[in-house]
Amino acid sequence: TQLLEQSPQFLSIQEGENLTVYCNSSSVFSSLQWYRQEPGEGPVLLVTVVTGGEVKKLKRLTFQFGDARKDSSLHITAAQPGDTGLYLCAGEGRTASKLTFGTGTRLQVTL
Amino acid sequence: DTGVSQDPRHKITKRGQNVTFRCDPISEHNRLYWYRQTLGQGPEFLTYFQNEAQLEKSRLLSDRFSAERPKGSFSTLEIQRTEQGDSAMYLCASSLSGGQPQHFGDGTRLSIL
Repeated sequence: TQLLEQSPQFLSIQEGENLTVYCNSSSVFSSLQWYRQEPGEGPVLLVTVVTGGEVKKLKRLTFQFGDARKDSSLHITAAQPGDTGLYLCAGEGRTASKLTFGTGTRLQVTL
Repeated sequence: DTGVSQDPRHKITKRGQNVTFRCDPISEHNRLYWYRQTLGQGPEFLTYFQNEAQLEKSRLLSDRFSAERPKGSFSTLEIQRTEQGDSAMYLCASSLSGGQPQHFGDGTRLSIL
């Protein structure tokens, strides 16, 4: 069974601070996706990383896929209250079917 | 907006009743997925379709659960003889094909009394 563990589980920071969320597994994934989910809504796709060592930037968010394609990180620079939400990583296996989701990181950014 | 649409958004029912949820994927998306999410957890895969064919089912999908996608467009997920443990958010997602990003609907929240 493929498992994805995220850390930290909870993070409460002030506006302007930087943070990093980690997503780790012992399994290799063909791709990894990051989602953000707000209460009562479905996950919204932020980015997909495919190549080992790949780095993608989305405004203040930087995503990295590990060289071995087993782990990933999400770094947010100068967090804003609008970044508040549940961040989920999700890996897709070689069969390119289901997503295996991480345990989630709940981020709260306060003024 | 042509995103993934789910209906109903909320369902409250008594234990033992049957419930059915509907998902309308993004048009022209061949793949359709069902996930279940309980409070404080990430979504867990239930099943997926390639067009009208159901290609994979999770062990989470007991014999009380059945999903269909008869014409390769919308899908239904039925739960028979609901139990307390079925209370969760049921999420539907679609993608153009395998290996393409999955886009989620806003889910159906099921509460069993």
